[in-house]
Amino acid sequence: AQSVTQPDIHITVSEGASLELRCNYSYGATPYLFWYVQSPGQGLQLLLKYFSGDTLVQGIKGFEAEFKRSQSSFNLRKPSVHWSDAAEYFCATLGGGADGLTFGKGTHLIIQP
Amino acid sequence: DTEVTQTPKHLVMGMTNKKSLKCEQHMGHRAMYWYKQKAKKPPELMFVYSYEKLSINESVPSRFSPECPNSSLLNLHLHALQPEDSALYLCASSRQTSGDYNEQFFGPGTRLTVL
Repeated sequence: AQSVTQPDIHITVSEGASLELRCNYSYGATPYLFWYVQSPGQGLQLLLKYFSGDTLVQGIKGFEAEFKRSQSSFNLRKPSVHWSDAAEYFCATLGGGADGLTFGKGTHLIIQP
Repeated sequence: DTEVTQTPKHLVMGMTNKKSLKCEQHMGHRAMYWYKQKAKKPPELMFVYSYEKLSINESVPSRFSPECPNSSLLNLHLHALQPEDSALYLCASSRQTSGDYNEQFFGPGTRLTVL
């Protein structure tokens, strides 16, 4: 079954600093990959997705992610974080029951002033 | 309109109650999903509907009963729940279930507490 792993449970970044959140996938063929963000008590918002094609994908809120087949990774990046970026970030892939999403355990992002 | 709405926002129920969660989208999507999210955990898939037909049931107990009356509406009927069923229930929709069309939009969720 397809799965994703987020190795970092918590990440603390200073406001204005750059950010990289890690995601590794486990699948032989090209996977469908997503990054979602969830603020406390809220639903999930899609930041970006990768299906095929250009391996560097741009998303909303200034986020981007790069698909690297050689490293089985799909890391999320942002050049300069804002305090409002503090949230839970989930990497996900299609594979839960084939049509549903299978999520990583999430990375909790803390922004220091 | 790229919004998925869910009602109610919060629900408190006893173990003998019967209640329903409602989800609605007007994006013309033909796939709809229920996920369950426990505190500090990722969402877990419960059910998938494709063209108003149940296509996936992830071994969910029968005390959860989904219903898709039309392409815009998805319900989750709850009966005889247990305290461990307390969670955030998230609804999502996508154009279709197949990969290239499976970009899922989520609603804000219903926070369920079972006493």
